[in-house]
Amino acid sequence: DAGVIQSPRHEVTEMGQEVTLRCKPISGHDYLFWYRQTMMRGLELLIYFNNNVPIDDSGMPEDRFSAKMPNASFSTLKIQPSEPRDSAVYFCASSLGAGLAQTQYFGPGTRLLVL
Amino acid sequence: TQLLEQSPQFLSIQEGENLTVYCNSSSVFSSLQWYRQEPGEGPVLLVTVVTGGEVKKLKRLTFQFGDARKDSSLHITAAQPGDTGLYLCAGAEGGADGLTFGKGTHLIIQP
Repeated sequence: DAGVIQSPRHEVTEMGQEVTLRCKPISGHDYLFWYRQTMMRGLELLIYFNNNVPIDDSGMPEDRFSAKMPNASFSTLKIQPSEPRDSAVYFCASSLGAGLAQTQYFGPGTRLLVL
Repeated sequence: TQLLEQSPQFLSIQEGENLTVYCNSSSVFSSLQWYRQEPGEGPVLLVTVVTGGEVKKLKRLTFQFGDARKDSSLHITAAQPGDTGLYLCAGAEGGADGLTFGKGTHLIIQP
């Protein structure tokens, strides 16, 4: 299996522009998670889906952030408009099941820099 | 939201030395996991501990879950440069699907 695939790996954009991050989870996994990692705040859960349905989006920082999962093999995280404070590494992870003893498999991340 | 505090934040030691890093919380977790993250990559799961007092060994790494399930430690024996990375602990709350991550310990093993 190719593992969790994320694109792009690096993104540099200017403040105010729309940014779309993409994720392909491991085939057969029913949970998909979006995280943001910064030095100051560590790894933060933004939103997660179960069987393509958003379950908890309480970690989404504000209305500028949105996420969709139109099917079991694809998810997007969109930032519109982007701001310099959104600069971070964004990870997508997937798992088979959740709760106790779940194993989340992380993608390589998208490094976002907003100028 | 339950918080996980990891210490130390940074640790740099010589190859061959032993070390212990800690993960603490004021709340109880149903299970706790340790991940290692290398530069430019996502975290990779090392171990899951579920039972209070549980000890698991993975080659030179020993993981322990506190009796009260509020804390955990990772001990590395005879550290090697390949152990260099960011070590993250993550907890699962009973009935919840997601994980809460600590900020991690940045470990550097110098040859």
